[in-house]
Amino acid sequence: ETGVTQTPRHLVMGMTNKKSLKCEQHLGHNAMYWYKQSAKKPLELMFVYSLEERVENNSVPSRFSPECPNSSHLFLHLHTLQPEDSALYLCASSQVRGHWPRNEAFFGQGTRLTVV
Amino acid sequence: DQQVKQNSPSLSVQEGRISILNCDYTNSMFDYFLWYKKYPAEGPTFLISISSIKDKNEDGRFTVFLNKSAKHLSLHIVPSQPGDSAVYFCAASRGSTLGRLYFGRGTQLTVWP
Repeated sequence: ETGVTQTPRHLVMGMTNKKSLKCEQHLGHNAMYWYKQSAKKPLELMFVYSLEERVENNSVPSRFSPECPNSSHLFLHLHTLQPEDSALYLCASSQVRGHWPRNEAFFGQGTRLTVV
Repeated sequence: DQQVKQNSPSLSVQEGRISILNCDYTNSMFDYFLWYKKYPAEGPTFLISISSIKDKNEDGRFTVFLNKSAKHLSLHIVPSQPGDSAVYFCAASRGSTLGRLYFGRGTQLTVWP
């Protein structure tokens, strides 16, 4: 396995279900991110973890709950979602070490989530 | 309020010619800019970047230009190839935000033979 891997690739869930998205990075990075891409909207940052500690929650509803057990794994736990939460959820990782040089984020292939 | 804007949702270019994708930003604190390419059913892949201390960065067929005074950057692809057909996202970050990226909505580039 190389890069950033996300599972599942597709997920259909009911509004009362509980599911989890998984992300794993094999790049040795120290920061991981969850992004959301809704239709006709730019990629929006949801959560940032650096050294396994959450450093940013971008005003995301509590029905989305992230977990970062170690620097290689990131989860997004979902419960009682709404149909408008249907989107592409992308995980990314990067190596952050001060301001310079800045390293780009590497993205997984995403999970296409549909809430019915 | 969107801080990174790509005002052209699509661009169509003939193979062999130059593709120019544009991006504007509003936050003068941004100090690092990136371009990503995205194919359908795949995540964005990093293409090229530039820091605010430079005004040009080149990598093979891809060149990014930065005009800080105009808060504008552009991606030039020369020569364009059909395999370049994808959605291109412009992104920006600033030093204090731990790798957080602000993205534009993307531009769909189509390169036709």
